[in-house]
Amino acid sequence: QKEVEQDPGPLSVPEGAIVSLNCTYSNSAFQYFMWYRQYSRKGPELLMYTYSSGNKEDGRFTAQVDKSSKYISLFIRDSQPSDSATYLCAMSAQTGNNRKLIWGLGTSLAVNP
Amino acid sequence: GAVVSQHPSWVICKSGTSVKIECRSLDFQATTMFWYRQFPKQSLMLMATSNEGSKATYEQGVEKDKFLINHASLTLSTLTVTSAHPEDSSFYICSARLWGGGSEAFFGQGTRLTVV
Repeated sequence: QKEVEQDPGPLSVPEGAIVSLNCTYSNSAFQYFMWYRQYSRKGPELLMYTYSSGNKEDGRFTAQVDKSSKYISLFIRDSQPSDSATYLCAMSAQTGNNRKLIWGLGTSLAVNP
Repeated sequence: GAVVSQHPSWVICKSGTSVKIECRSLDFQATTMFWYRQFPKQSLMLMATSNEGSKATYEQGVEKDKFLINHASLTLSTLTVTSAHPEDSSFYICSARLWGGGSEAFFGQGTRLTVV
């Protein structure tokens, strides 16, 4: 079993839809959770960064962490064609500068105009 | 947000030659940088962790003599692919953490290497 599971999709939605992306994980020591957006042939861009459980909102994006279920989500409201990209979740457990990020496979999202 | 610049964005080289990729943190100091490799439609594969002033730590299965990493300053790390072969063709991405920052990492734009 992989440490982080993420459905690769593809996920296709109409413009304006609410998009729900999620990852599950097995390591209960994970405390730091991130969502990245990656456009084709570009490096990942950090969207959301959360620590421990709870919600965090930034514009149209909301990140949720449920540590009891080992489940994290990213919601995109009023989705736009420009949101079409691959969304990767990442998480880490260690402290210190060498702590590694454990990555999901990424979910490919297409928002259709 | 913190900016990481990676250069070149794409390179084509002949088999047997070496290629150097640079990764710079433009507006912050990064004591730790990470080098990743990414195959089409796959996630990021960590190759090595680079610490300023010390030897890089390579992941299992990554040849350290083939992928030379140098992190000589707090803002620059380089990856040199030595004696490149077609199977080394891939998308290479660096990332950096702010010194004293949290777990989030900031990424360069990536380098697409094609070995012919």
